[in-house]
Amino acid sequence: NAGVTQTPKFQVLKTGQSMTLQCAQDMNHEYMSWYRQDPGMGLRLIHYSVGAGITDQGEVPNGYNVSRSTTEDFPLRLLSAAPSQTSVYFCASSSPGGGYEQFFGPGTRLTVL
Amino acid sequence: KQEVTQIPAALSVPEGENLVLNCSFTDSAIYNLQWFRQDPGKGLTSLLLIQSSQREQTSGRLNASLDKSSGRSTLYIAASQPGDSATYLCAFRSYNTDKLIFGTGTRLQVFP
Repeated sequence: NAGVTQTPKFQVLKTGQSMTLQCAQDMNHEYMSWYRQDPGMGLRLIHYSVGAGITDQGEVPNGYNVSRSTTEDFPLRLLSAAPSQTSVYFCASSSPGGGYEQFFGPGTRLTVL
Repeated sequence: KQEVTQIPAALSVPEGENLVLNCSFTDSAIYNLQWFRQDPGKGLTSLLLIQSSQREQTSGRLNASLDKSSGRSTLYIAASQPGDSATYLCAFRSYNTDKLIFGTGTRLQVFP
């Protein structure tokens, strides 16, 4: 199993550009989440999904969109990038059958100029 | 607001010491608590998961305990090694939410 994979590993954007961060998992997990990690702020939940076709907002959803058309994929879209979105983004997945043990991807380091 | 506090924020110890990292949480309706390790520039690696019905979990030199009544969890690292140097994060899931709430971590350095 590859576990949770994320692409790209690094990305530099200009203010106003849009892009999609990709996340996929091969563990058949129902739950998937996106977090951002900033120095001194810890991990903050952006959006999450409890199954295909179901998404909900987390703590810091503004400026981000998600969709969940399949169990495996959970892309995160930045609509119009801003310097405040410079961060490291992590995708994670878990399953009720696994006791909700959460598994993380390697992260995407995003810089917005 | 649900909160998780980790103490100390940073710790530097010589190799071979036994360590205790602390995690406290405010929500008594805890479903489970998970400890993670994060190396610089890397993702989070799951170390131990404790369900609310359990008091502790062990994996190798690591032992995590959970005391729901006091809202505390501890991660015990026996015979620390330089390879244990990393940031350790705890996070809990409440019965009241589908979300995982994270602490800000303890940065551990073990020197030879």
